[in-house]
Amino acid sequence: GNSVTQMEGPVTLSEEAFLTINCTYTATGYPSLFWYVQYPGEGLQLLLKATKADDKGSNKGFEATYRKETTSFHLEKGSVQVSDSAVYFCALSDDSGGSNYKLTFGKGTLLTVNP
Amino acid sequence: GAGVSQTPSNKVTEKGKYVELRCDPISGHTALYWYRQSLGQGPEFLIYFQGTGAADDSGLPNDRFFAVRPEGSVSTLKIQRTERGDSAVYLCASSTGLPRGTGELFFGEGSRLTVL
Repeated sequence: GNSVTQMEGPVTLSEEAFLTINCTYTATGYPSLFWYVQYPGEGLQLLLKATKADDKGSNKGFEATYRKETTSFHLEKGSVQVSDSAVYFCALSDDSGGSNYKLTFGKGTLLTVNP
Repeated sequence: GAGVSQTPSNKVTEKGKYVELRCDPISGHTALYWYRQSLGQGPEFLIYFQGTGAADDSGLPNDRFFAVRPEGSVSTLKIQRTERGDSAVYLCASSTGLPRGTGELFFGEGSRLTVL
């Protein structure tokens, strides 16, 4: 079945540091890949996505590239801010098609950015 | 409302009791999902509705769990004879129901269930 393995945290960085959160996946077929973020006291929200190999998703300074050859979708940001402190989840969608966005999530990585 | 609304935000119950959790999706969203998130884990899929029908209930752990969406909007997740292992945050999400690759899931803040 499908599975997602992401770097376990917690990760603690100073403001303006470079961020990488590793994510690898196992899936049959060609899934879409996602990063979701959960800020304190809020619901999960989509950060970025990529739907096919070599696509790069980007948003709010975060980037991730869909690497089929390494089955990876690592999240990166060049300069983190205190406001980026949150839990980050890597996820993939079932590739059965249609409108079913059944997602398989990783365990989440807690990021804390200190001023 | 503007987002997905879930009630109650917190529910404490005793082992063996019956529980209902409610989800009010974003207006106009035809697709609705329930996920369960245990401590230290990512969300796990439970069930997916397209309109009023449960299109995929493969994630429901056993027959104590049931969900309905009678009018294609609000959904209720029902848990019978609760067990301590049911303690988790239950997340609801909705989407436009557009074909895969064009939409995204919008999540509520979740209902935290504690079974004593």
